[in-house]
Amino acid sequence: NAGVTQTPKFQVLKTGQSMTLQCAQDMNHEYMSWYRQDPGMGLRLIHYSVGAGITDQGEVPNGYNVSRSTTEDFPLRLLSAAPSQTSVYFCASSYQGLANEQFFGPGTRLTVL
Amino acid sequence: AQTVTQSQPEMSVQEAETVTLSCTYDTSESNYYLFWYKQPPSRQMILVIRQEAYKQQNATENRFSVNFQKAAKSFSLKISDSQLGDTAMYFCALAGANSKLTFGKGITLSVRP
Repeated sequence: NAGVTQTPKFQVLKTGQSMTLQCAQDMNHEYMSWYRQDPGMGLRLIHYSVGAGITDQGEVPNGYNVSRSTTEDFPLRLLSAAPSQTSVYFCASSYQGLANEQFFGPGTRLTVL
Repeated sequence: AQTVTQSQPEMSVQEAETVTLSCTYDTSESNYYLFWYKQPPSRQMILVIRQEAYKQQNATENRFSVNFQKAAKSFSLKISDSQLGDTAMYFCALAGANSKLTFGKGITLSVRP
């Protein structure tokens, strides 16, 4: 099993550009989520999904969109990048929700100029 | 809303000694789960230990154990026989019934040789 994979590992954008961060898991996990990690802030939940076709907002959803058309994939879209979105982004998945271990991807370091 | 507080930004411990990392939380849920995650310099998030709130017995995993004080809403992590590989950032996290995982801001632990 590859576990949770994220692409790209690094990305530099200009203000106003859009892009999609990819996340995929091969463990047949229903629950998937996106977090951003900023210095001194811990990890903050952006969006999450409890299954295919179901998504909901987390703590910091503004400026981000998600969709979940399959169990395996959970892409995160930045609509119009801003310098405040410079961060490290983590995707995670788990079996049967939050009571169990979250498996994290390796992260994407995004810089918005 | 649920909150997780890690008030110590960093700690240092001598190799082979014991160190305790503090975490307090707040939630209105009666059923919830608590976690400690480790993030080494590689950036990969790794589960250290998990505690179910309805279980009175403190969880242990080899050299890692917790002191779970439900009434005080405290969940500290004890690392025994510290090793150089324990050098990392440690995050306390809380999962409630609202399908959201809330992280503390993290503590940087350095193990000195």
